[in-house]
Amino acid sequence: QKEVEQNSGPLSVPEGAIASLNCTYSDRGSQSFFWYRQYSGKSPELIMFIYSNGDKEDGRFTAQLNKASQYVSLLIRDSQPSDSATYLCAVGVEYGNKLVFGAGTILRVKS
Amino acid sequence: EAGVTQSPTHLIKTRGQQVTLRCSPISGHTSVYWYQQALGLGLQFLLWYDEGEERNRGNFPPRFSGRQFPNYSSELNVNALELEDSALYLCASSSRDSDTQYFGPGTRLTVL
Repeated sequence: QKEVEQNSGPLSVPEGAIASLNCTYSDRGSQSFFWYRQYSGKSPELIMFIYSNGDKEDGRFTAQLNKASQYVSLLIRDSQPSDSATYLCAVGVEYGNKLVFGAGTILRVKS
Repeated sequence: EAGVTQSPTHLIKTRGQQVTLRCSPISGHTSVYWYQQALGLGLQFLLWYDEGEERNRGNFPPRFSGRQFPNYSSELNVNALELEDSALYLCASSSRDSDTQYFGPGTRLTVL
């Protein structure tokens, strides 16, 4: 079982719609959760982090965390073509390199 | 504040050669992480350095090695290059009291 799982996609949404990206993790002791955006050929860019159950909003982005169900999600409101990228979920752990990354979900926003 | 920097940007080598990649973390960060990302694949953890010490390494052969200097910059060395080493090599850094990692722009290595 993979430690951090994401649907590889691609997830296609029309411009202006809400894109919903999901991630599940296996380590119940995880306390920190991150979303990175990676454009093709570029390095990952940190979008948001969340530590507590519930929602955290930053502009058009909302991260949602449910530790009991072991999932974290990212909502992108008013999706734009420039949001088209791979979105990586990362979970903090107390071992290894401290962050475990999912394989990423490809998002395509069509104008 | 300057971000994580990496050099060189691109590199072309031939099989069997050796390569050294460099990374400078964000000022004040003590941990440096190295990742390999082959084309179309996910991030594969290579090495983690903190306070000059290797803290952990991923599932890579010993020809992948590195070090961290007193100023917290880091080098990744790859010996006896193989074609499958062609990838984007990413460096990330974090501060002592955080697990948030910030990535550099990466070094694109092509092995012919």
